[in-house]
Amino acid sequence: AQSVTQLDSHVSVSEGTPVLLRCNYSSSYSPSLFWYVQHPNKGLQLLLKYTSAATLVKGINGFEAEFKKSETSFHLTKPSAHMSDAAEYFCVVSEPRVDTGRRALTFGSGTRLQVQP
Amino acid sequence: DTAVSQTPKYLVTQMGNDKSIKCEQNLGHDTMYWYKQDSKKFLKIMFSYNNKELIINETVPNRFSPKSPDKAHLNLHINSLELGDSAVYFCASSQEKDLIGETQYFGPGTRLLVL
Repeated sequence: AQSVTQLDSHVSVSEGTPVLLRCNYSSSYSPSLFWYVQHPNKGLQLLLKYTSAATLVKGINGFEAEFKKSETSFHLTKPSAHMSDAAEYFCVVSEPRVDTGRRALTFGSGTRLQVQP
Repeated sequence: DTAVSQTPKYLVTQMGNDKSIKCEQNLGHDTMYWYKQDSKKFLKIMFSYNNKELIINETVPNRFSPKSPDKAHLNLHINSLELGDSAVYFCASSQEKDLIGETQYFGPGTRLLVL
């Protein structure tokens, strides 16, 4: 069984300061992990993904995430926040389902990032 | 060109009505999905189709019936709409791979409000 826990429902930072969005997962298999971003009234856009290659994954817009198996974490970071980063961020785990053997996504509950000027 | 498109973008309707949401992808993917996002932003998969075949059918009321006329389209028909059906419905597609986590591409969402 898989699950995803986003530890903060809401994070507020000042423009130009670092961003840290935390995510922990549990999985029976070696999972694939994703971060998606949803801007207000928009669809979801892939930021980055981990698929058992390099543990430090670089994504779009300066975001990166590090897969730490020992801590079962996949935290999302960015060195310097921009106003346009204000959005909802979802941590997502993908692993084969027990019933079908096909991969399915399980979403975290989301973290709303607010960027103050 | 829009990769995954949904129509309509907004849908306001009365309880008891029947409505459909359409989804089309031009990415050549073989797998399509419907997700429901509730008022708390929680996203949950409803259905998944692979090459027009139903693969995943979560615990969704029978009032919801997906239809895939071809692998580029996955429509969602909802009968006897209820207040609790109000949500944002997202369509997504991916090219399924057995060993590597596939990226799902999402549509812009359909905001359904049942009055």
